[in-house]
Amino acid sequence: RKEVEQDPGPFNVPEGATVAFNCTYSNSASQSFFWYRQDCRKEPKLLMSVYSSGNEDGRFTAQLNRASQYISLLIRDSKLSDSATYLCVVKRSSNYQLIWGAGTKLIIKP
Amino acid sequence: GAGVSQSPRYKVAKRGQDVALRCDPISGHVSLFWYQQALGQGPEFLTYFQNEAQLDKSGLPSDRFFAERPEGSVSTLKIQRTQQEDSAVYLCASSLTGRATEAFFGQGTRLTVV
Repeated sequence: RKEVEQDPGPFNVPEGATVAFNCTYSNSASQSFFWYRQDCRKEPKLLMSVYSSGNEDGRFTAQLNRASQYISLLIRDSKLSDSATYLCVVKRSSNYQLIWGAGTKLIIKP
Repeated sequence: GAGVSQSPRYKVAKRGQDVALRCDPISGHVSLFWYQQALGQGPEFLTYFQNEAQLDKSGLPSDRFFAERPEGSVSTLKIQRTQQEDSAVYLCASSLTGRATEAFFGQGTRLTVV
């Protein structure tokens, strides 16, 4: 079992819809959590960090549930430009390593 | 430059050939990481440098893989006697420190071993 697991994709969603991604992590020592976005044949780029109290950045909302070791990303009013792969990333407190999920591919259709 | 720069962007190697991949991190970034990303997967950690010191090479898949960062800036990942299973995108990332929350990635080198 992988240390970070994500919903299998792809998600095919009509423009304007709300879409949610889930991610679970197995190592309870994990301390920092992130969502990265990766466009096709491009490098990953940080979308947002995930804080314990949950956080929002425009149309994007991230939630963390430490008890269930679960992270989520919600995208509201989805745009065509949101089409990408979304990667869940975890960092352990004592380690600099980023542990990556396999990613969930999102396709927004007009 | 403004971002992390990797070269070459694409490399086709014959099986058994040696390759060298270059990474030029953001100026002043102490930490440098190499990752391997197979198709449809997230990046897998290969090795980590803090300045010129290679602090962790636990992710290197075999002794055919070697990385260096002699002056604490540019890094080279070398793969000797390439095999087909080495085909992947090799990503370099840098961050201000090892504890930094954001790592900045280069566009990667897509290696195809034929």
